[in-house]
Amino acid sequence: AQSVTQLDSHVSVSEGTPVLLRCNYSSSYSPSLFWYVQHPNKGLQLLLKYTSAATLVKGINGFEAEFKKSETSFHLTKPSAHMSDAAEYFCVVPYTSGTYKYIFGTGTRLKVLA
Amino acid sequence: GAVVSQHPSRVICKSGTSVKIECRSLDFQATTMFWYRQFPKQSLMLMATSNEGSKATYEQGVEKDKFLINHASLTLSTLTVTSAHPEDSSFYICSAWMGGVSSYEQYFGPGTRLTVT
Repeated sequence: AQSVTQLDSHVSVSEGTPVLLRCNYSSSYSPSLFWYVQHPNKGLQLLLKYTSAATLVKGINGFEAEFKKSETSFHLTKPSAHMSDAAEYFCVVPYTSGTYKYIFGTGTRLKVLA
Repeated sequence: GAVVSQHPSRVICKSGTSVKIECRSLDFQATTMFWYRQFPKQSLMLMATSNEGSKATYEQGVEKDKFLINHASLTLSTLTVTSAHPEDSSFYICSAWMGGVSSYEQYFGPGTRLTVT
Protein backbone atom coordinates (compact mmCIF):
# COMPACT_ATOMS: atom_id res chain seq x y z
CA ALA A 1 0.00 0.00 0.00
CA GLN A 2 1.13 3.53 -0.64
CA SER A 3 1.24 6.32 1.92
CA VAL A 4 2.93 9.63 2.58
CA THR A 5 3.95 11.21 5.85
CA GLN A 6 4.63 14.89 6.24
CA LEU A 7 6.78 15.15 9.29
CA ASP A 8 6.00 18.74 10.26
CA SER A 9 2.54 20.25 10.56
CA HIS A 10 3.99 23.77 10.88
CA VAL A 11 7.26 25.30 9.74
CA SER A 12 8.34 28.89 10.38
CA VAL A 13 11.26 30.52 8.61
CA SER A 14 12.51 34.05 8.24
CA GLU A 15 12.30 35.74 4.88
CA GLY A 16 15.45 35.07 2.88
CA THR A 17 16.37 31.87 4.74
CA PRO A 18 16.12 28.33 3.36
CA VAL A 19 12.94 26.29 3.42
CA LEU A 20 12.80 22.54 4.11
CA LEU A 21 9.46 20.70 4.12
CA ARG A 22 9.80 16.99 4.77
CA CYS A 23 7.91 14.13 3.17
CA ASN A 24 8.47 10.40 3.50
CA TYR A 25 6.64 7.87 1.40
CA SER A 26 5.84 4.21 1.59
CA SER A 27 5.38 2.24 -1.60
CA SER A 28 6.00 -1.27 -2.82
CA TYR A 29 7.40 0.14 -6.04
CA SER A 30 8.99 3.34 -7.26
CA PRO A 31 6.13 5.79 -7.21
CA SER A 32 5.32 9.10 -8.79
CA LEU A 33 5.33 11.88 -6.20
CA PHE A 34 3.94 15.39 -6.24
CA TRP A 35 4.17 18.55 -4.18
CA TYR A 36 1.22 20.94 -4.26
CA VAL A 37 0.77 24.37 -2.69
CA GLN A 38 -2.52 25.81 -1.47
CA HIS A 39 -2.96 29.46 -0.61
CA PRO A 40 -5.89 30.39 1.66
CA ASN A 41 -9.28 29.69 0.12
CA LYS A 42 -7.72 28.57 -3.14
CA GLY A 43 -7.38 25.32 -5.02
CA LEU A 44 -4.16 23.34 -5.26
CA GLN A 45 -1.32 24.31 -7.56
CA LEU A 46 1.31 21.83 -8.67
CA LEU A 47 4.81 22.85 -7.56
CA LEU A 48 6.70 19.90 -8.99
CA LYS A 49 6.48 16.21 -9.74
CA TYR A 50 8.75 13.19 -9.75
CA THR A 51 8.01 10.56 -12.37
CA SER A 52 11.09 8.30 -12.23
CA ALA A 53 13.25 10.41 -14.51
CA ALA A 54 15.76 12.72 -12.79
CA THR A 55 15.84 12.34 -9.01
CA LEU A 56 16.35 16.08 -8.49
CA VAL A 57 13.24 17.82 -9.64
CA LYS A 58 12.96 21.56 -10.15
CA GLY A 59 9.60 23.21 -9.87
CA ILE A 60 8.01 26.60 -10.01
CA ASN A 61 8.87 29.60 -7.82
CA GLY A 62 12.37 28.32 -7.05
CA PHE A 63 11.29 25.13 -5.30
CA GLU A 64 12.97 21.79 -5.83
CA ALA A 65 12.80 18.31 -4.36
CA GLU A 66 15.06 15.29 -4.39
CA PHE A 67 13.77 11.75 -4.61
CA LYS A 68 15.87 9.51 -2.35
CA LYS A 69 14.88 5.89 -2.63
CA SER A 70 17.27 4.74 0.10
CA GLU A 71 15.62 7.14 2.54
CA THR A 72 12.10 6.90 1.04
CA SER A 73 12.01 10.67 1.10
CA PHE A 74 10.95 13.48 -1.20
CA HIS A 75 11.72 16.64 0.75
CA LEU A 76 10.83 20.05 -0.68
CA THR A 77 13.41 22.83 -0.49
CA LYS A 78 13.89 26.42 -1.50
CA PRO A 79 17.12 28.38 -0.97
CA SER A 80 15.49 31.64 0.06
CA ALA A 81 11.96 32.06 1.39
CA HIS A 82 9.72 34.85 0.20
CA MET A 83 6.71 36.24 2.01
CA SER A 84 4.49 34.97 -0.81
CA ASP A 85 5.58 31.39 -0.03
CA ALA A 86 3.43 31.38 3.11
CA ALA A 87 0.83 28.70 2.38
CA GLU A 88 -0.12 25.07 2.98
CA TYR A 89 1.98 22.44 1.23
CA PHE A 90 0.86 18.89 0.44
CA CYS A 91 2.96 15.90 -0.51
CA VAL A 92 0.98 13.47 -2.66
CA VAL A 93 1.45 9.97 -4.03
CA PRO A 94 -0.96 8.53 -6.59
CA TYR A 95 -2.55 5.23 -5.66
CA THR A 96 -2.77 3.10 -8.75
CA SER A 97 -3.60 -0.43 -7.64
CA GLY A 98 -6.97 -1.46 -9.09
CA THR A 99 -8.26 2.07 -8.94
CA TYR A 100 -6.69 5.47 -9.15
CA LYS A 101 -6.70 8.28 -6.62
CA TYR A 102 -4.38 10.57 -4.73
CA ILE A 103 -3.03 9.80 -1.28
CA PHE A 104 -2.48 13.11 0.50
CA GLY A 105 -0.10 13.93 3.27
CA THR A 106 -1.56 15.82 6.20
CA GLY A 107 -0.03 19.06 5.01
CA THR A 108 2.61 21.48 6.27
CA ARG A 109 1.73 25.09 6.96
CA LEU A 110 4.65 27.35 6.09
CA LYS A 111 4.90 30.67 7.86
CA VAL A 112 7.40 33.24 6.62
CA LEU A 113 8.49 35.87 9.09
CA ALA A 114 9.52 39.34 8.01
CA GLY B 1 -3.19 24.48 -20.41
CA ALA B 2 -5.06 21.97 -18.19
CA VAL B 3 -7.38 24.45 -16.51
CA VAL B 4 -10.24 23.39 -14.26
CA SER B 5 -12.95 25.82 -13.22
CA GLN B 6 -15.56 25.63 -10.49
CA HIS B 7 -18.77 27.55 -10.15
CA PRO B 8 -19.79 29.15 -7.92
CA SER B 9 -16.72 30.15 -5.94
CA ARG B 10 -18.83 30.93 -2.89
CA VAL B 11 -22.41 30.10 -2.02
CA ILE B 12 -24.57 30.72 1.00
CA CYS B 13 -27.79 28.76 1.31
CA LYS B 14 -30.46 28.11 3.89
CA SER B 15 -30.73 24.86 5.75
CA GLY B 16 -32.89 22.36 3.88
CA THR B 17 -32.18 23.68 0.40
CA SER B 18 -30.04 22.05 -2.27
CA VAL B 19 -26.93 23.48 -3.86
CA LYS B 20 -25.26 22.51 -7.13
CA ILE B 21 -21.55 23.01 -7.75
CA GLU B 22 -20.12 22.70 -11.26
CA CYS B 23 -16.65 21.53 -12.20
CA ARG B 24 -15.41 22.00 -15.75
CA SER B 25 -12.21 21.06 -17.53
CA LEU B 26 -11.77 24.02 -19.89
CA ASP B 27 -9.12 22.84 -22.34
CA PHE B 28 -8.99 19.07 -22.05
CA GLN B 29 -11.24 16.06 -21.76
CA ALA B 30 -11.30 14.50 -18.33
CA THR B 31 -11.52 10.74 -18.11
CA THR B 32 -12.12 11.00 -14.40
CA MET B 33 -13.15 13.76 -12.04
CA PHE B 34 -12.78 13.78 -8.29
CA TRP B 35 -14.63 15.62 -5.56
CA TYR B 36 -12.90 16.54 -2.31
CA ARG B 37 -14.01 18.17 0.88
CA GLN B 38 -11.65 20.19 3.03
CA PHE B 39 -12.26 21.22 6.61
CA PRO B 40 -10.37 24.21 8.04
CA LYS B 41 -6.67 23.57 8.55
CA GLN B 42 -6.99 19.99 7.32
CA SER B 43 -5.97 18.01 4.30
CA LEU B 44 -8.31 17.16 1.44
CA MET B 45 -10.72 14.28 1.94
CA LEU B 46 -11.77 12.40 -1.18
CA MET B 47 -15.54 12.14 -1.37
CA ALA B 48 -16.08 10.42 -4.68
CA THR B 49 -14.64 9.54 -8.05
CA SER B 50 -16.67 9.91 -11.20
CA ASN B 51 -16.17 8.73 -14.75
CA GLU B 52 -18.13 10.16 -17.65
CA GLY B 53 -21.38 8.35 -18.24
CA SER B 54 -21.18 6.05 -15.24
CA LYS B 55 -22.17 6.18 -11.60
CA ALA B 56 -19.82 7.80 -9.16
CA THR B 57 -17.81 5.71 -6.72
CA TYR B 58 -18.17 7.09 -3.22
CA GLU B 59 -15.63 6.77 -0.45
CA GLN B 60 -16.61 5.01 2.73
CA GLY B 61 -18.71 7.17 4.98
CA VAL B 62 -19.89 9.57 2.26
CA GLU B 63 -23.67 9.59 1.82
CA LYS B 64 -24.41 9.12 -1.86
CA ASP B 65 -28.00 10.31 -1.48
CA LYS B 66 -26.84 13.51 0.12
CA PHE B 67 -23.97 14.28 -2.26
CA LEU B 68 -25.25 13.61 -5.75
CA ILE B 69 -22.62 13.51 -8.45
CA ASN B 70 -23.32 13.67 -12.15
CA HIS B 71 -20.64 13.39 -14.81
CA ALA B 72 -22.62 13.98 -17.97
CA SER B 73 -19.76 14.82 -20.30
CA LEU B 74 -15.98 14.60 -20.53
CA THR B 75 -15.70 18.22 -19.45
CA LEU B 76 -18.39 18.64 -16.80
CA SER B 77 -19.13 17.11 -13.43
CA THR B 78 -21.60 18.44 -10.89
CA LEU B 79 -21.93 17.93 -7.16
CA THR B 80 -25.34 18.58 -5.63
CA VAL B 81 -25.59 18.86 -1.87
CA THR B 82 -29.16 17.92 -1.13
CA SER B 83 -31.08 19.16 1.89
CA ALA B 84 -28.03 20.99 3.12
CA HIS B 85 -27.41 21.48 6.83
CA PRO B 86 -24.89 23.64 8.67
CA GLU B 87 -22.56 20.68 9.12
CA ASP B 88 -22.25 20.50 5.32
CA SER B 89 -20.55 23.88 5.34
CA SER B 90 -17.09 23.33 3.95
CA PHE B 91 -14.67 23.99 1.12
CA TYR B 92 -15.36 21.68 -1.82
CA ILE B 93 -12.66 21.13 -4.45
CA CYS B 94 -12.85 19.19 -7.67
CA SER B 95 -10.04 17.83 -9.80
CA ALA B 96 -9.76 16.21 -13.19
CA TRP B 97 -7.51 13.55 -14.67
CA MET B 98 -6.87 13.14 -18.39
CA GLY B 99 -6.31 9.43 -18.11
CA GLY B 100 -3.53 7.21 -19.38
CA VAL B 101 -0.54 5.87 -17.48
CA SER B 102 1.91 8.46 -18.76
CA SER B 103 0.85 10.90 -16.08
CA TYR B 104 -1.11 10.52 -12.90
CA GLU B 105 -1.39 14.26 -12.40
CA GLN B 106 -4.72 15.67 -11.33
CA TYR B 107 -5.66 19.26 -12.14
CA PHE B 108 -7.52 21.08 -9.42
CA GLY B 109 -10.29 23.63 -9.52
CA PRO B 110 -10.16 26.76 -7.35
CA GLY B 111 -12.70 25.42 -4.87
CA THR B 112 -16.18 26.38 -3.71
CA ARG B 113 -16.89 27.71 -0.24
CA LEU B 114 -20.31 26.50 0.91
CA THR B 115 -21.94 28.09 3.93
CA VAL B 116 -25.25 26.72 5.15
CA THR B 117 -27.18 28.98 7.51
